[in-house]
Amino acid sequence: GAVVSQHPSWVICKSGTSVKIECRSLDFQATTMFWYRQFPKQSLMLMATSNEGSKATYEQGVEKDKFLINHASLTLSTLTVTSAHPEDSSFYICSAREPGRGDSPLHFGNGTRLTVT
Amino acid sequence: LAKTTQPISMDSYEGQEVNITCSHNNIATNDYITWYQQFPSQGPRFIIQGYKTKVTNEVASLFIPADRKSSTLSLPRVSLSDTAVYYCLVGLNQAGTALIFGKGTTLSVSS
Repeated sequence: GAVVSQHPSWVICKSGTSVKIECRSLDFQATTMFWYRQFPKQSLMLMATSNEGSKATYEQGVEKDKFLINHASLTLSTLTVTSAHPEDSSFYICSAREPGRGDSPLHFGNGTRLTVT
Repeated sequence: LAKTTQPISMDSYEGQEVNITCSHNNIATNDYITWYQQFPSQGPRFIIQGYKTKVTNEVASLFIPADRKSSTLSLPRVSLSDTAVYYCLVGLNQAGTALIFGKGTTLSVSS
């Protein structure tokens, strides 16, 4: 089945630095990928939609200059948290679905735990 | 996007059948119903998906009434490892369409 892979699975960084998270579709091409964020004991919240070859679409309240998204190929989307602060500490999860199928479910990566100190 | 409502939590014992019901009163004609399982510090894992009537796979069954305004995830003979959060999502299964998560149901299975 379709697999979505994320890297790294966890990262610790200092306040003010930037961190890049990669999301790859391993056995299918994804023109669109989705980035979610999840705080402890809460549900997943959609942050942005990553579109291959064009600008990402951000949900209301998500700062596009802080969360830079690049979808340079059909199998890779990256999320860069710029000038990270402790409040950015969260669990970031990407997802995608196989194109060309009307019933293709959304597949999720295993998430990236970001801790900003 | 259709909003979903699920019980916040459920408790069960090993070996029992667990049924989690999700309400989605404003589901659209082309929306699918998809259930995910999430363990702590892991991404959601696809369990089952359906459009109408009943769907069964190796891990669960999904019952959808004719009006599609609700659905029930049935987990047969749960074990301790089924302790997780279960999310019911409703939406289009198109490549460019995201899914919005509700609060989910925390299932606790005891021995």
